[in-house]
Amino acid sequence: SAVISQKPSRDICQRGTSLTIQCQVDSQVTMMFWYRQQPGQSLTLIATANQGSEATYESGFVIDKFPISRPNLTFSTLTVSNMSPEDSSIYLCSGARVAGSNEQFFGPGTRLTVL
Amino acid sequence: AQSVAQPEDQVNVAEGNPLTVKCTYSVSGNPYLFWYVQYPNRGLQFLLKYITGDNLVKGSYGFEAEFNKSQTSFHLKKPSALVSDSALYFCAVRSTPDSNYQLIWGAGTKLIIKP
Repeated sequence: SAVISQKPSRDICQRGTSLTIQCQVDSQVTMMFWYRQQPGQSLTLIATANQGSEATYESGFVIDKFPISRPNLTFSTLTVSNMSPEDSSIYLCSGARVAGSNEQFFGPGTRLTVL
Repeated sequence: AQSVAQPEDQVNVAEGNPLTVKCTYSVSGNPYLFWYVQYPNRGLQFLLKYITGDNLVKGSYGFEAEFNKSQTSFHLKKPSALVSDSALYFCAVRSTPDSNYQLIWGAGTKLIIKP
């Protein structure tokens, strides 16, 4: 398995500002993903973070709103840009190794509230 | 279209009784199946998976799940429920071969164990 940490754990932000969430894995993973989750609801995949190249975004999510970086195999950031109250959610980072166990490991999440 | 169904929003079980959380899936190709648990204000924790081999798989915290290909199901079970099992449970599936390693998620089932 892998241990994934996220910073910040929670934040309260003003409309129109941006927040960058950091995701750190304790060992190399092949794949990294960013999800959004409303409390008590299922997960929605935002994008796959690709090392050294542009992230692959799911339908409904765009790079201008959710820019993602992944400079190496253990670190990624997600920025929520020009925030509105509709962006209030829990943002989760996950990692997975292509070879071996297949499961995704999750960080504890970042709870974002936009006022 | 590929999908995962968790037909019960909530399952209530008395402590000490057996529990079942249901999951059915629809994917092309062979499925990789996963169960995750989410405790309040926490990230997702991996419970167990089916990749190949024995249809009955055992996981963390005494949970097990049975893969049934003919019924396209992967129900989560535990012989004797604990109050501490109360949480949100997610079933997820990945179709193989699949080059992007993404998971398709169920809506989640809230499990409530009453003393």
